[in-house]
Amino acid sequence: DQQVKQNSPSLSVQEGRISILNCDYTNSMFDYFLWYKKYPAEGPTFLISISSIKDKNEDGRFTVFLNKSAKHLSLHIVPSQPGDSAVYFCAASDGTSGTYKYIFGTGTRLKVLA
Amino acid sequence: EPEVTQTPSHQVTQMGQEVILRCVPISNHLYFYWYRQILGQKVEFLVSFYNNEISEKSEIFDDQFSVERPDGSNFTLKIRSTKLEDSAMYFCASSLTGTGNTEAFFGQGTRLTVV
Repeated sequence: DQQVKQNSPSLSVQEGRISILNCDYTNSMFDYFLWYKKYPAEGPTFLISISSIKDKNEDGRFTVFLNKSAKHLSLHIVPSQPGDSAVYFCAASDGTSGTYKYIFGTGTRLKVLA
Repeated sequence: EPEVTQTPSHQVTQMGQEVILRCVPISNHLYFYWYRQILGQKVEFLVSFYNNEISEKSEIFDDQFSVERPDGSNFTLKIRSTKLEDSAMYFCASSLTGTGNTEAFFGQGTRLTVV
């Protein structure tokens, strides 16, 4: 039961251009969403989050958009840099039920070409 | 910057042996977690821990697994009798509050190899 889906396993983008990573979810009770970046042999590093009461959150080059009606969120990276090359995981949680866990997507490997 | 630290970075063990994976969460955090990632697969939730007891556990977290906070700083995951399929990266994480509305910070992981 994949409640959080990242349908693109990989993405290649030219340096300086925009990277758009997508994530879909099925559980309408999810109310908090996060993006993590992961390098090989390292732990996930928190990047940016968004609460379900918002539809956009921006932090420097990173912007997350949330479309609740479509159960879809996306991460935009502008401009993309070679150091952004990593696996990006979308994660979601349902705070209202008192659970304390994230459900992760399968990840998208981003490669930024110099 | 505060960080979650995990030891060892790599553990090789024989099938059937017990292993203990150790974590030092961020000092003022109250919620602790273990996740794992089997090679090539997604990061999966194992267990959450708050106020010295398990808050939630997944189906993966069966009787072979246990967690403990033996003192004020360490948080451990024990696997009593390891199986080949337990081979994975195990990540410890901590958060200031429950993950309802806050980010968790992850350690670098322990790569467990069961042979």
